[in-house]
Amino acid sequence: KQEVTQIPAALSVPEGENLVLNCSFTDSAIYNLQWFRQDPGKGLTSLLLIQSSQREQTSGRLNASLDKSSGRSTLYIAASQPGDSATYLCARRGGSEKLVFGKGTKLTVNP
Amino acid sequence: GAGVSQSPSNKVTEKGKDVELRCDPISGHTALYWYRQSLGQGLEFLIYFQGNSAPDKSGLPSDRFSAERTGGSVSTLTIQRTQQEDSAVYLCASSLGLTSYEQYFGPGTRLTVT
Repeated sequence: KQEVTQIPAALSVPEGENLVLNCSFTDSAIYNLQWFRQDPGKGLTSLLLIQSSQREQTSGRLNASLDKSSGRSTLYIAASQPGDSATYLCARRGGSEKLVFGKGTKLTVNP
Repeated sequence: GAGVSQSPSNKVTEKGKDVELRCDPISGHTALYWYRQSLGQGLEFLIYFQGNSAPDKSGLPSDRFSAERTGGSVSTLTIQRTQQEDSAVYLCASSLGLTSYEQYFGPGTRLTVT
């Protein structure tokens, strides 16, 4: 069974802190991994896509890494801001076209 | 450019009624996906289309659920004889192609079955 686990389920940090969100998956056969953010009552916004041949991707203050051998991905957020408050979801694409999602990490950045 | 759009944004229906949910993908995107997000289950895959064909319907929870896509563009998800457990947010996504391409999501349709 394909499973994606995100730890922690919730995280609260003061503004300006650097933080890491974790994502692990049980099946190392992977095409790519995608990170999303979801604001309350909204759809998903794609943040970063890492192909299986890549080790990391960067966009602004965000950096995502992928370690297939250990079945882990991390999303690093630098200098967090209150506007970063949202739920962050990782999703793995393995042997099929569907994305398999974790349950997310709810991030709160306090001013 | 325009993103993925979905309609209606909210739908309240009585148990036993049929509902249709619509998705307009990003222009030029050949792949289209339907997912469901519910409190207890998180985000679950329902079905995907490549062009007008649906190679993988494995996520449809029952035969009350069906979907079609016409002209390689708009897709409709139909739920017949709705049940309370169908209440969820239904999300549509599209991508330029399969496998290695990024999926872009619409805002979703919140379905409430009373």
